[in-house]
Amino acid sequence: DIQMTQSPSSLSASVGDRVTITCQASHDISTSLNWYQQKPGKAPKVLIYDASNLETGVPSRFSGSGSGTDFTFTISSLQPEDSATYYCQHYDNTPSLTFGGGTKVEIK
Amino acid sequence: QVQLQESGPGLVKPSETLSLTCTVSGGSFTSYYWTWIRQPPGKGLEWIGNIFYTGITNYNPSLKSRVSVSVDMSKTQFSLKLTSLTAADTAVYYCARGTDYDILTGYPHAFDVWGQGRMVTVSS
Repeated sequence: DIQMTQSPSSLSASVGDRVTITCQASHDISTSLNWYQQKPGKAPKVLIYDASNLETGVPSRFSGSGSGTDFTFTISSLQPEDSATYYCQHYDNTPSLTFGGGTKVEIK
Repeated sequence: QVQLQESGPGLVKPSETLSLTCTVSGGSFTSYYWTWIRQPPGKGLEWIGNIFYTGITNYNPSLKSRVSVSVDMSKTQFSLKLTSLTAADTAVYYCARGTDYDILTGYPHAFDVWGQGRMVTVSS
C-alpha cells in the first residue's frame, strides 16, 4: 500500500504570507495526487487535481506542483477565508484512494 | 447544479449493520463513481468504496469484508451497508461524486461534489 505523509500537521501564518504544505508518497505515484480544503463542520472541497491542475472556480492563489514522490501545495497570499485543514489524496488503478493526515492552517 | 444528500440513522448499536443512502439530484447519474468516505471525529478522511452507474464496485481493502455499496438508478440513489459495527466505525459519513475527468480509467481520481455528511455513532 502507498502511504502519504503530509507536513506540517499544523501551521500559523499571517494574512498575505506564502504558505507551503508538502505531501510525500512512499512510492512513485507520477502525478496522481489531489489537494482538498476542509473547513470545520463542512465537507472537503477539491482545489487541485493531478498534482498541478486548478479545479474550476478555485482562486489562482492556490497552486500545486510535484511528481513522483514529492508534492507541494502553495497558497501564494494567505487570506482570512483560507483558514482550514488541507488534505492531499492519492489515487491509483488498484484502485486505491488514500488521504494524507491533513495540515491545519491558522491565521495569526 | 448537482447535489448529494445522505440519509440514515445517527445511532447504531455495536455488532449491527449500518445502512446509509445518498440521493443525487440536479445532474447526470452516469459516467461518475458514486463514493462513500468517512471521517472519525477529529481525524482524517478514509475512502470506503465506490460504485459506477453500471454497478461495478471498488472497496477499501481494509473494509472490504464488511462493506457493500449498491445503486438504484431509477431513484438516482446509492447506498452503503457496513456490517459488524464497532466504536471505531463512529464517524461522519460522506457521500461524494468521483470523477476521472473524462479519461475513462474505470476508477475515480478525485471527488468533486460532496454531501453535507451524516454523523453516525456506534454505541449501545
